[in-house]
Amino acid sequence: KAGVTQTPRYLIKTRGQQVTLSCSPISGHRSVSWYQQTPGQGLQFLFEYFSETQRNKGNFPGRFSGRQFSNSRSEMNVSTLELGDSALYLCASRGTGEIHEQYFGPGTRLTVT
Amino acid sequence: AQSVTQPDIHITVSEGASLELRCNYSYGATPYLFWYVQSPGQGLQLLLKYFSGDTLVQGIKGFEAEFKRSQSSFNLRKPSVHWSDAAEYFCAVGARGSSASKIIFGSGTRLSIRP
Repeated sequence: KAGVTQTPRYLIKTRGQQVTLSCSPISGHRSVSWYQQTPGQGLQFLFEYFSETQRNKGNFPGRFSGRQFSNSRSEMNVSTLELGDSALYLCASRGTGEIHEQYFGPGTRLTVT
Repeated sequence: AQSVTQPDIHITVSEGASLELRCNYSYGATPYLFWYVQSPGQGLQLLLKYFSGDTLVQGIKGFEAEFKRSQSSFNLRKPSVHWSDAAEYFCAVGARGSSASKIIFGSGTRLSIRP
């Protein structure tokens, strides 16, 4: 079974621009979660999508948004980029049912200059 | 509120020595508990998880962890480390129910291996 894939792996953007990151979950997984990892704040939960609906949300500003498509693939968008948005963005997918762990993708490294 | 504390930022052990990484959590009920490992530039790999039942759980790569409710701890252990174990280790706690994907991570412990 293929793992979680994320594209692109690396991205350089300028302050004020917007960016879209993509995540393809493991086949059959309907839950996709996004996390931000920075040296200062560590790993922080952004949001979770399940069956095309946002089910949980972390404490991030509205500049961070996401969506999920009918094939469970998910995109995350960050508008009006700030220097502090430079981070590794990780996507994780989870199987149906309560007792299922999350499987993480390799991440997208975003650098904002 | 849920929280996870990993008191050791960086640990160095000799190859072949035993390892214990500490993790304390705060959660109102019985949580889901996880240990993940992250190699440089990589995503997170699940080492082991505790949902219920036996409090000593076995994971991949020879790791094990023990859930101690009275101490709110979930320490990770390995009897003999290998140079390839050098990485960052994250303890995490998850809720039950519809918030199960909202995992709270500790700040991580970086493990270095002395040859």
